[in-house]
Amino acid sequence: DAKTTQPNSMESNEEEPVHLPCNHSTISGTDYIHWYRQLPSQGPEYVIHGLTSNVNNRMASLAIAEDRKSSTLILHRATLRDAAVYYCILINTGGFKTIFGAGTRLFVKA
Amino acid sequence: DAGVIQSPRHEVTEMGQEVTLRCKPISGHDYLFWYRQTMMRGLELLIYFNNNVPIDDSGMPEDRFSAKMPNASFSTLKIQPSEPRDSAVYFCASSIPGPPWTQYFGPGTRLLVL
Repeated sequence: DAKTTQPNSMESNEEEPVHLPCNHSTISGTDYIHWYRQLPSQGPEYVIHGLTSNVNNRMASLAIAEDRKSSTLILHRATLRDAAVYYCILINTGGFKTIFGAGTRLFVKA
Repeated sequence: DAGVIQSPRHEVTEMGQEVTLRCKPISGHDYLFWYRQTMMRGLELLIYFNNNVPIDDSGMPEDRFSAKMPNASFSTLKIQPSEPRDSAVYFCASSIPGPPWTQYFGPGTRLLVL
């Protein structure tokens, strides 16, 4: 089952962009790259997903490397409400053995 | 849509008692997942269902844990007998079949076994 590697924590200033990296060197061709975030005392919340091309939605942007072995979640202007644990996971048809790593805890300073 | 609904939100019980956690998936979602989250082990997939049928229960820790999905709109996770090490937050998630396989999580049930 493909796993991902993320930094344990990152810090950002409010209203500045944040780039959260993720390595997934064993990704397979059918794996979709998903990002979730978990606010304190809440369940994981879907943020964005992609397969090969970069993606944008109202919450964030996802930049995927050409070889798909890494990706970056971009929050264009961090707010205090973005302070959370961000998970990068791979999901495919192969048994749905979704593996959540430790994620990246994002701290946002006012 | 109300999203994934879980009950109870909090449960405190004594060791040895039976605990039943409940989940209502999003209407139209054919896949249902049960996860457990602890500080030590993070978020772990316990079991998942497709069209009410258990597909993979390899994450279920031991025989004290059982899960059922009697119909498309309801699932239970039961622990009998409960032990203090079962204390955790249990999440239910659901997804539609097919790519991109996005899962949507409920708010979780915080279980404390004394």
